Amino acid sequence: AQTVTQSQPEMSVQEAETVTLSCTYDTSENNYYLFWYKQPPSRQMILVIRQEAYKQQNATENRFSVNFQKAAKSFSLKISDSQLGDTAMYFCAFMKPYGSEKLVFGKGTKLTVNP
Amino acid sequence: DAGVIQSPRHEVTEMGQEVTLRCKPISGHNSLFWYRQTMMRGLELLIYFNNNVPIDDSGMPEDRFSAKMPNASFSTLKIQPSEPRDSAVYFCASSPLTLADSYEQYFGPGTRLTVT
Repeated sequence: AQTVTQSQPEMSVQEAETVTLSCTYDTSENNYYLFWYKQPPSRQMILVIRQEAYKQQNATENRFSVNFQKAAKSFSLKISDSQLGDTAMYFCAFMKPYGSEKLVFGKGTKLTVNP
Repeated sequence: DAGVIQSPRHEVTEMGQEVTLRCKPISGHNSLFWYRQTMMRGLELLIYFNNNVPIDDSGMPEDRFSAKMPNASFSTLKIQPSEPRDSAVYFCASSPLTLADSYEQYFGPGTRLTVT
């Protein structure tokens, strides 16, 4: 079974600075997808960024980028120019397609952006 | 599109009562997922439907939980009888599950269930 580990329960960063959230996973699969979801206090789960394992290029979405290291099974999220609205829980998730396309989530990292 | 719709948003019930949570997926999405979020266990999948057929129900805790998807636009998750340990936020998510969409799942706002 796949597992996802987020080793940082809480992190904080000053507004406008850069922060990196860590995520590692365990799988024997070669083809899979990785996601970062954001959950603000409103509780809504919002997709931040996704990465296909077969793509070597790291995904980027505006201020959000990932460092995907397939051999190391690592998938970290970098948030540049942090904003107060980035304060939220961040969940790393793994999905194996062509079967049970369920998301396997990590425990989450609570990020606080300080003014 | 209105997104995934869940009702009710909050539910408070007494132990032993039946609880029904409802979900309307995004039109055109062929897959639907029910997740549960608790402090202790985090986010975990309960059941997954594809084209209205249950594909993976390995996460359903016990016989007290049941889920149905009678058509492509509606699903229910029922707990009978409810217990205090069922208190959690229950999310419904839908997905087109296509490579072009990179298998993105779209989440509803969740239902916060409190069983006293």
